[in-house]
Amino acid sequence: ETGVTQTPRHLVMGMTNKKSLKCEQHLGHNAMYWYKQSAKKPLELMFVYNFKEQTENNSVPSRFSPECPNSSHLFLHLHTLQPEDSALYLCASSQDSGGADEQYFGPGTRLTVT
Amino acid sequence: AQSVAQPEDQVNVAEGNPLTVKCTYSVSGNPYLFWYVQYPNRGLQFLLKYITGDNLVKGSYGFEAEFNKSQTSFHLKKPSALVSDSALYFCAVRDGGSQGNLIFGKGTKLSVKP
Repeated sequence: ETGVTQTPRHLVMGMTNKKSLKCEQHLGHNAMYWYKQSAKKPLELMFVYNFKEQTENNSVPSRFSPECPNSSHLFLHLHTLQPEDSALYLCASSQDSGGADEQYFGPGTRLTVT
Repeated sequence: AQSVAQPEDQVNVAEGNPLTVKCTYSVSGNPYLFWYVQYPNRGLQFLLKYITGDNLVKGSYGFEAEFNKSQTSFHLKKPSALVSDSALYFCAVRDGGSQGNLIFGKGTKLSVKP
């Protein structure tokens, strides 16, 4: 295990639902990330938090809303999603958001929007 | 702007043979280079990285990678492939000078047959 956990592992939601994805890291890192992984596409960075402050929003639609209450926890709140939002959502953490630090990934949440 | 390319969608190797997964990059400053592996239904796992120093970097599970500045490449290698090495491999780069985000390649599927 990498020290990064994600819940739930699988989620099916309708387009009018509201749900949240949770990520927790047990590594003492200061930076956390959300990525979207779709079939046949490169990994897409969505959000970056460093010391609980958002430092990157990679032009993500407002139907995705991140929350970082502390350096160990990261949430992704979802509402009125579209079918094209179906993907694997990966959380990662690193010691800091810059520099040469490698990122450690959670197992992901497989999201299906119906 | 920084970018990374993995020219092969899939690499097929017989068990026991050497394997190479190719990666080329483009950054304006000094590159920080990473390799990750993803097994089915799992997140990405860090394998190795090059920041500075010796061009040959050794990592987990017997993998190594060679940094070649003149060819802007960072190919992943292993002397003797195992069936259990079958997975999706991602190369990633960050421009060490600009402190930009980590950019991932589209991934290469490695298939090792007995």
